[in-house]
Amino acid sequence: KNQVEQSPQSLIILEGKNCTLQCNYTVSPFSNLRWYKQDTGRGPVSLTIMTFSENTKSNGRYTATLDADTKQSSLHITASQLSDSASYICVVSATGANNLFFGTGTRLTVIP
Amino acid sequence: NAGVTQTPKFRILKIGQSMTLQCTQDMNHNYMYWYRQDPGMGLKLIYYSVGAGITDKGEVPNGYNVSRSTTEDFPLRLELAAPSQTSVYFCASSARAQQPQHFGDGTRLSIL
Repeated sequence: KNQVEQSPQSLIILEGKNCTLQCNYTVSPFSNLRWYKQDTGRGPVSLTIMTFSENTKSNGRYTATLDADTKQSSLHITASQLSDSASYICVVSATGANNLFFGTGTRLTVIP
Repeated sequence: NAGVTQTPKFRILKIGQSMTLQCTQDMNHNYMYWYRQDPGMGLKLIYYSVGAGITDKGEVPNGYNVSRSTTEDFPLRLELAAPSQTSVYFCASSARAQQPQHFGDGTRLSIL
């Protein structure tokens, strides 16, 4: 069964600290993996997208890693800011137009 | 550049009423999608379209209908509203199937 599981469900960190969010998937055949940021009351916004051959991709203070062998991905946030408070959603794409599988997200809260 | 625009932002319906959720994009994207997001759940695909005049069912299409007469617009129709359709609805678009999707800010729909 195609599934995407994220951990932790929620996380609270102090401003300026780093954190890492996890994503495990069982989607096959794999096409790409995406991380989205969703602010409260807004739609998701794409952070990174990685294909099978990419191990790491960065977008500013966000760095995503992918291990296609173990079917795991992580999103590392460096020097967190209050504006990083949001839900982070891992999405895995299988081949095809409607084969996206969404995780339930990690709710990150950054406190001063 | 407006991106993906959804209207209305909020709506309360009575059971059995009908309504249309509007979605328009100005990026000339061929692919458009409708999702629903329930609390604590990942986004679920309702319908999608790969171009004007072409639509197809996603994971949870029952109780909904769509049309795609132009590249820009992809309205979602609820014919007989039911309490189970209380959710946040997101419209998204992408240039191609395996590219990141751009999301609107959602329509929050309550059916009482």
